[in-house]
Amino acid sequence: GENVEQHPSTLSVQEGDSAVIKCTYSDSASNYFPWYKQELGKRPQLIIDIRSNVGEKKDQRIAVTLNKTAKHFSLHITETQPEDSAVYFCAALPKLSFGAGTTVTVRA
Amino acid sequence: DAGVIQSPRHEVTEMGQEVTLRCKPISGHNSLFWYRQTMMRGLELLIYFNNNVPIDDSGMPEDRFSAKMPNASFSTLKIQPSEPRDSAVYFCASSLVGGQSPLHFGNGTRLTVT
Repeated sequence: GENVEQHPSTLSVQEGDSAVIKCTYSDSASNYFPWYKQELGKRPQLIIDIRSNVGEKKDQRIAVTLNKTAKHFSLHITETQPEDSAVYFCAALPKLSFGAGTTVTVRA
Repeated sequence: DAGVIQSPRHEVTEMGQEVTLRCKPISGHNSLFWYRQTMMRGLELLIYFNNNVPIDDSGMPEDRFSAKMPNASFSTLKIQPSEPRDSAVYFCASSLVGGQSPLHFGNGTRLTVT
């Protein structure tokens, strides 16, 4: 999306290692930041989200951190497994724009 | 909860033909979105509705594209006439409150225009 930049575009990690994806946004009004996972040939599905009044949120092996001052937020996946291989998208609402996506490959 | 339902799943048509994609949002959701996904451009928001009213259609690429939401349980995206560059996966999504709650995506319609 034009106001959401996502890096890196591809990420290859060894099984068991951590993966980090970072997104930056430009709209100061953004207050809701979801992350979606899309497996090949399937629809994007929400995996975790964070609102602007919280700095960090964790759900098992997945965590998201938000730095409103710097206007960036990151997805952290720990102890990666082969089933984590997918394309991950960030978004900054209310503009409803998605990042370009990160293709994550977990090597067994 | 049946989720967001899109039809058809696949559509193959010749250029110049009219294409109509259909979407049934999750019951109770007030916002509906149409996205287009391609390798080159990623996920692009085409248009979204709040309470059946189009709020932002700035992403609709050309006048060949039109979208309607006649009631809370149905929306269509129409392309007339279709062109090969319209080939993409078109996703419909719905949410409780647009811009403030998670989007739930349908399975998409894979459109191929030859």
